[in-house]
Amino acid sequence: GQNIDQPTEMTATEGAIVQINCTYQTSGFNGLFWYQQHAGEAPTFLSYNVLDGLEEKGRFSSFLSRSKGYSYLLLKELQMKDSASYLCAAMDSNYQLIWGAGTKLIIKP
Amino acid sequence: NAGVTQTPKFQVLKTGQSMTLQCAQDMNHEYMSWYRQDPGMGLRLIHYSVGAGITDQGEVPNGYNVSRSTTEDFPLRLLSAAPSQTSVYFCASSPTGDSGANVLTFGAGSRLTVL
Repeated sequence: GQNIDQPTEMTATEGAIVQINCTYQTSGFNGLFWYQQHAGEAPTFLSYNVLDGLEEKGRFSSFLSRSKGYSYLLLKELQMKDSASYLCAAMDSNYQLIWGAGTKLIIKP
Repeated sequence: NAGVTQTPKFQVLKTGQSMTLQCAQDMNHEYMSWYRQDPGMGLRLIHYSVGAGITDQGEVPNGYNVSRSTTEDFPLRLLSAAPSQTSVYFCASSPTGDSGANVLTFGAGSRLTVL
């Protein structure tokens, strides 16, 4: 079956670095997405990886290993506004997204 | 540029009532979809459409109907509401439905409570 696993909750300190992991199993693969969702709001796009390696976008970076079915989102210089849920989603061979349940990130001062 | 507009934002229904959640996008996107989001679960696809006149079922279609008469609009109809349909509903669109790099743009969400 198709499945996405990511931690339910993580806590980090303002100014620090945090890595949110995601493992996936899909029928075929057309890329891995990360979305950010603040409480009570809609998800917004953060990153897309389809090739192995690291994609850097400002304070946020996303890594993909297709052979391991593994991705992570790296957040640097954490700010209080980064407190949100981070959703991992893998796209299967039919271009359908399989979503993880999300990782709630709590930032402490 | 409004993006994806969903209405209503909040709704309370009694069991057995019907209602329609409206969704409109102004980005000329071919692909539109409806998701529900429940605590502790990932987003689950209800129905989707790859263009006007074309709709298909997602993972959890039972109890819901959709239509796509225009590119812009994709309403979701609850036929006979049940407490299990209490959820937050999101409409989302992307340029096409057959490309890996398609980024979804989400509406603000509709919180539905069925008593």
